[in-house]
Amino acid sequence: AIRITQSPSSLSASTGDRVTITCRASQGISSSLAWYQQKPGKAPKLLIYAASTLQSGVPSRFSGSGSGTDFTLTISCLQSEDFATYYCQQYYSYPLTFGGGTKVEIK
Amino acid sequence: EVQLVESGGALVQPGGSLRLSCAASGFTFSSYWMSWVRQAPGKGLEWVANIKQDVSEKYYVDSVKGRFTISRDNAKNSLYLQMNSLRAEDTAVYYCARDRSLGVLSGKSELDPWGQGTLVTVSS
Repeated sequence: AIRITQSPSSLSASTGDRVTITCRASQGISSSLAWYQQKPGKAPKLLIYAASTLQSGVPSRFSGSGSGTDFTLTISCLQSEDFATYYCQQYYSYPLTFGGGTKVEIK
Repeated sequence: EVQLVESGGALVQPGGSLRLSCAASGFTFSSYWMSWVRQAPGKGLEWVANIKQDVSEKYYVDSVKGRFTISRDNAKNSLYLQMNSLRAEDTAVYYCARDRSLGVLSGKSELDPWGQGTLVTVSS
């Protein structure tokens, strides 16, 4: 199975900050990577797919980049509603696998 | 509105069985791969299984192979997960989720939307 290492596991930031989260795959996965946001008690919400394509309705302050083994999710100007846990997911091969998550907390 | 609603979660003893259901609406259910994803309390997401539109292909994570069976009924717009020989480590919220787009041949895809989840607790 492809392992996805996500970092950091948590971070503290302030509204207006630029935040970067990374995922590293244990082998090349082309651009077969998605990013999700999850708030407490809620289902995950798709933010980005194909490493850099913004899902419809997602604010443009979210962006994704990378290919191969290294990927990045950037929130350009953190808003109050962005405090949540973020997960990446590879869909290059079975089993589909997720990173361990990054909890973005208020500083 | 596209909607997925899970049901069937419960408290069950180790070694027991449970069947989860997911009712789909607002889209052509028979045109999409469907998945189950779980999340243990306070932990991350784990993909469990998925199933092709015509049920000809099914894939599972190793930890549930031989114990869990994914199925679907396109006439009822419903997805199922039969869980046997349940273990404490199967305790989780179980989500059903749809492939984001039509026409995915392999089922290897990003997932959108997701249901609200149903809690399965395995404990004596």
